Amino acid sequence: AQSVTQPDIHITVSEGASLELRCNYSYGATPYLFWYVQSPGQGLQLLLKYFSGDTLVQGIKGFEAEFKRSQSSFNLRKPSVHWSDAAEYFCAVDLRNTGNQFYFGTGTSLTVIP
Amino acid sequence: DAGVIQSPRHEVTEMGQEVTLRCKPISGHNSLFWYRQTMMRGLELLIYFNNNVPIDDSGMPEDRFSAKMPNASFSTLKIQPSEPRDSAVYFCASSGLAGYNEQFFGPGTRLTVL
Repeated sequence: AQSVTQPDIHITVSEGASLELRCNYSYGATPYLFWYVQSPGQGLQLLLKYFSGDTLVQGIKGFEAEFKRSQSSFNLRKPSVHWSDAAEYFCAVDLRNTGNQFYFGTGTSLTVIP
Repeated sequence: DAGVIQSPRHEVTEMGQEVTLRCKPISGHNSLFWYRQTMMRGLELLIYFNNNVPIDDSGMPEDRFSAKMPNASFSTLKIQPSEPRDSAVYFCASSGLAGYNEQFFGPGTRLTVL
């Protein structure tokens, strides 16, 4: 069973526009949740993570994500996209909350147009 | 810290040859992961180690693949014999003790098997 789903394979936004990337997970309890970004030819870099507490999480590069338990979602947002944000974005869950049971989504490719 | 170090960054080899990929995790981290990334299958977990011991190798595609972690600062992923379908980017990641669950990724090794 797929533990984490990113429904959007590819998204195109204009520079300066707002962005929301969707992520849904399937698990009985609340896993640890992560968003990673991968620029072309690079490894994955952590943007932000949610363990517990405040459901709105701030990350690097102006990104934020909101955990919604009722919707089993952890969507990534940015109010104003920059051309340098063009990359592949991966949502990930850690089901055992130990760092040892990671599942990555299939990724969402973001294109930013001038 | 220099982060997760992988070598080589690029490897081109001929079918049937042995390939060895190397990884040095972040000092102090006790878990190490090997991933493979392709366009068709996305990011796949091949194997992970905890305290140098292989915990889950269910993602290793077949017997041609093997991984070792002789000590806390070094791991190898070997493919013998290599096949064209093994062409992919191979990532190593490490994570630390409980409470620091995010995985830190290396830059990857791009493997091309001709």
